[in-house]
Amino acid sequence: AQTVTQSQPEMSVQEAETVTLSCTYDTSENNYYLFWYKQPPSRQMILVIRQEAYKQQNATENRFSVNFQKAAKSFSLKISDSQLGDTAMYFCAFMKRAYNQGGKLIFGQGTELSVKP
Amino acid sequence: DGGITQSPKYLFRKEGQNVTLSCEQNLNHDAMYWYRQDPGQGLRLIYYSQIVNDFQKGDIAEGYSVSREKKESFPLTVTSAQKNPTAFYLCASSIREGTVPTYEQYFGPGTRLTVT
Repeated sequence: AQTVTQSQPEMSVQEAETVTLSCTYDTSENNYYLFWYKQPPSRQMILVIRQEAYKQQNATENRFSVNFQKAAKSFSLKISDSQLGDTAMYFCAFMKRAYNQGGKLIFGQGTELSVKP
Repeated sequence: DGGITQSPKYLFRKEGQNVTLSCEQNLNHDAMYWYRQDPGQGLRLIYYSQIVNDFQKGDIAEGYSVSREKKESFPLTVTSAQKNPTAFYLCASSIREGTVPTYEQYFGPGTRLTVT
């Protein structure tokens, strides 16, 4: 079975600074996706960034980038130029890409990020 | 606007009562999902459905039931058999390319259920 672990329950960063959130996962699969979701105080889940396991290049989306280390099963999220609106709970998630898995997402426990002015 | 709606936002029930949570989407997505969120535990999959009239159990299906009679709707019933029903419930949907749901799931705003 796959597991996702986020070892930092809480983090804080000053506005305009850079912060990195950690995520490790355990799987024997070779074909999968990894995601970072953001859940602001409104509790709406928002997809931040995704990474296909077969791609060696790290995904980037504006101020958000990942460091995907497949052999180490590590998937960290870097937020550059942090903004107050980045304050949220961040979840790392894993999805095996296979017919009988139905798009099942497995989530980590979350990291609560506070951006301070 | 296209999206996923969940109603109501807050729901209160007495212990021993069944309660049904609504999830409707107008994104024309084939696949739909129900997750439960508890403090400090992230989201866990309850049930999912890849097509109409078909659904599968997720990791924590005990005490829950679902139906998928229409593509747009995937209601979740929390039965009296669910030991700890108080939680935040999130519904999601995704496109299905061929037989594999695509990676991006779109989430609804959630329903906070409190059972006393």
